Amino acid sequence: DARVTQTPRHKVTEMGQEVTMRCQPILGHNTVFWYRQTMMQGLELLAYFRNRAPLDDSGMPKDRFSAEMPDATLATLKIQPSEPRDSAVYFCASGLSGAGNSFGSGTRLTVV
Amino acid sequence: RKEVEQDPGPFNVPEGATVAFNCTYSNSASQSFFWYRQDCRKEPKLLMSVYSSGNEDGRFTAQLNRASQYISLLIRDSKLSDSATYLCVVIDGTASKLTFGTGTRLQVTL
Repeated sequence: DARVTQTPRHKVTEMGQEVTMRCQPILGHNTVFWYRQTMMQGLELLAYFRNRAPLDDSGMPKDRFSAEMPDATLATLKIQPSEPRDSAVYFCASGLSGAGNSFGSGTRLTVV
Repeated sequence: RKEVEQDPGPFNVPEGATVAFNCTYSNSASQSFFWYRQDCRKEPKLLMSVYSSGNEDGRFTAQLNRASQYISLLIRDSKLSDSATYLCVVIDGTASKLTFGTGTRLQVTL
């Protein structure tokens, strides 16, 4: 069963540190999404790519967040510097244009 | 107004009951619609697509009403294992951007 793989599963870091989250989408999927989920805001779309090209990152704070897709098997989300308000679960999802997506298990980030 | 709105619930229903959730969307150009299920501390998982003609998968029925811009999910003969948060998802017609509702929490009890 093909799955989206995210690493790390959990991350605790101090405020000001850089955080890098990684995602391996399902082979053959051409669209990759990064979401953030908190109790207060629910699932928020941060950025997404189609065929590795960034399509929309309007949901992402540009001053500290960056999303890249260096190749078809890897997507990264970086936060530098991290802040306590960034604490959330970050999900990566992949799919085919217009179809439902498969989610990874998420990275649970805690910034202290 | 939010792009996709759902009643957060919780809906508390006894086992065997029928329960229905609605979800409204604001973008009339939206093209694709889905229901996802999310268990506590887990990732969302695709439950079913929603077609214009409506579709059924076992105890689950999804409907789309384009005129009124809402989709619905009906669960018949609910089971304890149906307890979860149900998220509706709307995809716009141009950039394939998925927008999630905040979810409706269902708790099925004995």
